[in-house]
Amino acid sequence: EAGVAQSPRYKIIEKRQSVAFWCNPISGHATLYWYQQILGQGPKLLIQFQNNGVVDDSQLPKDRFSAERLKGVDSTLKIQPAKLEDSAVYLCASSPGGGGYTFGSGTRLTVV
Amino acid sequence: ILNVEQSPQSLHVQEGDSTNFTCSFPSSNFYALHWYRWETAKSPEALFVMTLNGDEKKKGRISATLNTKEGYSYLYIKGSQPEDSATYLCAPSNFGNEKLTFGTGTRLTIIP
Repeated sequence: EAGVAQSPRYKIIEKRQSVAFWCNPISGHATLYWYQQILGQGPKLLIQFQNNGVVDDSQLPKDRFSAERLKGVDSTLKIQPAKLEDSAVYLCASSPGGGGYTFGSGTRLTVV
Repeated sequence: ILNVEQSPQSLHVQEGDSTNFTCSFPSSNFYALHWYRWETAKSPEALFVMTLNGDEKKKGRISATLNTKEGYSYLYIKGSQPEDSATYLCAPSNFGNEKLTFGTGTRLTIIP
């Protein structure tokens, strides 16, 4: 079974620039999550999708972050404009339901 | 949002020694407790999922226990090896919501 694919692996941008991350979950997994892991902290849930609908985006900074999962498969997470404090690893995970995630290898973002 | 605590935050252990660390979480409305191992530049890897009070799970030299009444779990590593170096994350979930809330993790370094 193919895993969760994420790209890019690394990204360095200047503050106030925009950036987008892409995630392709495991085929058939209805639930997709984006987590942000800042150095020294645990992963924090940004948004949870069930198919192409948003279940939970309560911790997504909506003034600068947006995410979509238009066809209920791939998802993109965008930051516009980026701030220094957005430097983190962005993890995508998918689940068939009933708990138990499969994670991608993440995108490490550095904002300078 | 669940309050999940892990201790210690970091740990250095001599190769061959055994070690353990703790995850504490709110016991009310508990459904499951997940342990993940996250090596640098790789995807977080699922180790265990436990649901019942008194559960014990084992995978090779790694084992975990669960106390749902008092809200804690221990992870044990016997005879540490360099490949055990990683961050170990725990994440509980509640009834009716498969979303995982992660602790800050325990960063384990095995000294050869």
